[in-house]
Amino acid sequence: DQQVKQNSPSLSVQEGRISILNCDYTNSMFDYFLWYKKYPAEGPTFLISISSIKDKNEDGRFTVFLNKSAKHLSLHIVPSQPGDSAVYFCAGHKETGANNLFFGTGTRLTVIP
Amino acid sequence: NAGVTQTPKFQVLKTGQSMTLQCAQDMNHNSMYWYRQDPGMGLRLIYYSASEGTTDKGEVPNGYNVSRLNKREFSLRLESAAPSQTSVYFCASTPRPGNSNQPQHFGDGTRLSIL
Repeated sequence: DQQVKQNSPSLSVQEGRISILNCDYTNSMFDYFLWYKKYPAEGPTFLISISSIKDKNEDGRFTVFLNKSAKHLSLHIVPSQPGDSAVYFCAGHKETGANNLFFGTGTRLTVIP
Repeated sequence: NAGVTQTPKFQVLKTGQSMTLQCAQDMNHNSMYWYRQDPGMGLRLIYYSASEGTTDKGEVPNGYNVSRLNKREFSLRLESAAPSQTSVYFCASTPRPGNSNQPQHFGDGTRLSIL
């Protein structure tokens, strides 16, 4: 059962415009959500996180929004740059135990110069 | 600072062969993880080690074994490889679980093909 879902496998955006990547989850026990970025032939790298008690977290060009009532979060990238082209994974974190990250299937973002 | 190092980067096996994937981290992290990534499936946890001396099953442990050799090293073994185990395998580590300010750090992966 997929506890974290990313329903858009791919997204294309023009350079300079906003990229919005979406993520839905089913497990109300997640206490944090994380976004990872992955380039080809590399491992995922941590990008930004948000606590379940907050509705927004911002870090430079990256902002994550959380809507708990809808069990939905989104990652906004403004302005988008060609170097942002990568696969983005959303993950939910559960505090209990060490088995604590549940990943979505990823969204491939392509930023067109 | 190497972070998380996985070896080998690529491997081709025949069905029934055995193999051990190696992972080492130099960040003095307590917890280590093995994931597999398949198209359309995201990253799925195979096994994890919360601390040195402990290992536990994740979501998809069948066909695999692990060893937490010491604090630095966490290996994944396929005793009798099957084509369904063709995947990209990622090792990750974190200082300790339960803290999003210290997220998991990933290696660059091992691409494994089983013929």
